[in-house]
Amino acid sequence: DIVMTQSPDSLAVSLGERATINCKSSQSVLYSSNDRNCLAWYQQKPGQPPKLLIYWTSTRESGVPDRFSGSGSGTDFTLTITNLQAEDVAVYYCQQYYTTPLTFGGGTKVEIK
Amino acid sequence: EVQLVESGGGLAQPGGSLRLSCAASGFTYRDYWMHWVRQAPGKGLIWVARISHDGSSITYADSVKGRFTISRDNAKNTLYLQMNRLRAEDTAVYYCVRPMLPAWNWFGSWGQGTLVSVSS
Repeated sequence: DIVMTQSPDSLAVSLGERATINCKSSQSVLYSSNDRNCLAWYQQKPGQPPKLLIYWTSTRESGVPDRFSGSGSGTDFTLTITNLQAEDVAVYYCQQYYTTPLTFGGGTKVEIK
Repeated sequence: EVQLVESGGGLAQPGGSLRLSCAASGFTYRDYWMHWVRQAPGKGLIWVARISHDGSSITYADSVKGRFTISRDNAKNTLYLQMNRLRAEDTAVYYCVRPMLPAWNWFGSWGQGTLVSVSS
C-alpha cells in the first residue's frame, strides 16, 4: 500500500498569512501516460463531507479560490494557502489515486492564530 | 446538480449486518465508477471499496474484504454496501463518493454520509 504522510498535524496561522501543508508518499504516484502525479487535496469543515480542492497535484477544481495552490514532484507534495481567510479553517487531506487501495494522508488541521 | 444521498446507517451489534444505500441523481449514473469512503469519529478518511460503471470490476480495502459487498443497480441509480460480520472498528460515517471523471479515482462529489455504530 502507498502510505501518505502529512505534516504538520496542525498549524495556526494569522489571517492574511500563508499556510503550508506537506504530504509525502511512500512511493512514486507518477502516472506515466501523462507525466503527472496522481495527487489530490481535499478540505473538510466540521460536520461536512470533504470538498475537492486540487487534483493532478496542482489543478484547481472549478470554483476553488486561487489562494489555494498545489505543488510537488516525486514523492513530496505541498498545499499552500496564501492570504488565509477565516473560512479556510478546516482539516486538509491529501490523497493518492495512482493505485488501489486509494489512500489518504492523516489530515492537517488549520486554525487561526 | 450532482446529489448523493446515503441511507441505512444505524446501530448494529458486533457480528451483525447493515445495508447502506446511496441514491444518485443529477448525472448519468451508469457512466461512473462509484466508491465508499469511511471516517471514524474524529479520525481521517479511509477508502473502503469501488465498483466499475457496469459492476464488472470491484475492489475492496483489505480491512473489509470478505465481509463487505459493494453493488449497484443502474436502473435505480443506486449504490449499495452490504456490511456483514461487523466489528467495533467499522464504526464510522460512510460516504458515497463519485469521481470527478467517470473512471478516475479522485473524488469530485460526496454525499453527506450515514453513521454506522457497532456496539453491544
